[in-house]
Amino acid sequence: EAGVVQSPRYKIIEKKQPVAFWCNPISGHNTLYWYLQNLGQGPELLIRYENEEAVDDSQLPKDRFSAERLKGVDSTLKIQPAELGDSAVYLCASSLRNSGGAGEQFFGPGTRLTVL
Amino acid sequence: GQSLEQPSEVTAVEGAIVQINCTYQTSGFYGLSWYQQHDGGAPTFLSYNALDGLEETGRFSSFLSRSDSYGYLLLQELQMKDSASYFCAVRDGYNKLIFGAGTRLAVHP
Repeated sequence: EAGVVQSPRYKIIEKKQPVAFWCNPISGHNTLYWYLQNLGQGPELLIRYENEEAVDDSQLPKDRFSAERLKGVDSTLKIQPAELGDSAVYLCASSLRNSGGAGEQFFGPGTRLTVL
Repeated sequence: GQSLEQPSEVTAVEGAIVQINCTYQTSGFYGLSWYQQHDGGAPTFLSYNALDGLEETGRFSSFLSRSDSYGYLLLQELQMKDSASYFCAVRDGYNKLIFGAGTRLAVHP
């Protein structure tokens, strides 16, 4: 079974440029998450989707970040314009419906973004 | 506020036992998870405790005391491949995972 797929794996851009990250979750997983991970820190949730609905986007900086999950499968996270402080690893994760149990989340390898 | 505390670094030798502690303060609590992350890799799920007590999975065990807002991950018979970062994560009252800053484990021969 394929895991969570993310692309690109690495991205280097200049500040003020736009950037987009793509995620394909594990087949059948209703819930999709985007996390930001700074060096030496744990992942921090940006947004959580249940199917195509964003049910928690309270930590998403909406002035420059946007996300979508059309048809409740793939998702795209966009930053426009990027700032130096956005340099981090952007992780996508998926899980079965986020409603109890261990709620195990399956993470993709992440996209390492460097903003120059 | 919400916070999780865990040691930043732990060092041990092959074959030894190491315990990584985690204390937490969150808005609501469903359970405590542990994730492993190798450098440049994806976090992978290790264990989950919703009730007090010890859960054992092979060489790894996880413990939770809800009354003390405390848990730990116990790694036995350490191997070089166990060198990684280990994160505790709380499922809070909003069903959100809040991660600690991680503990970097270095296993030496």
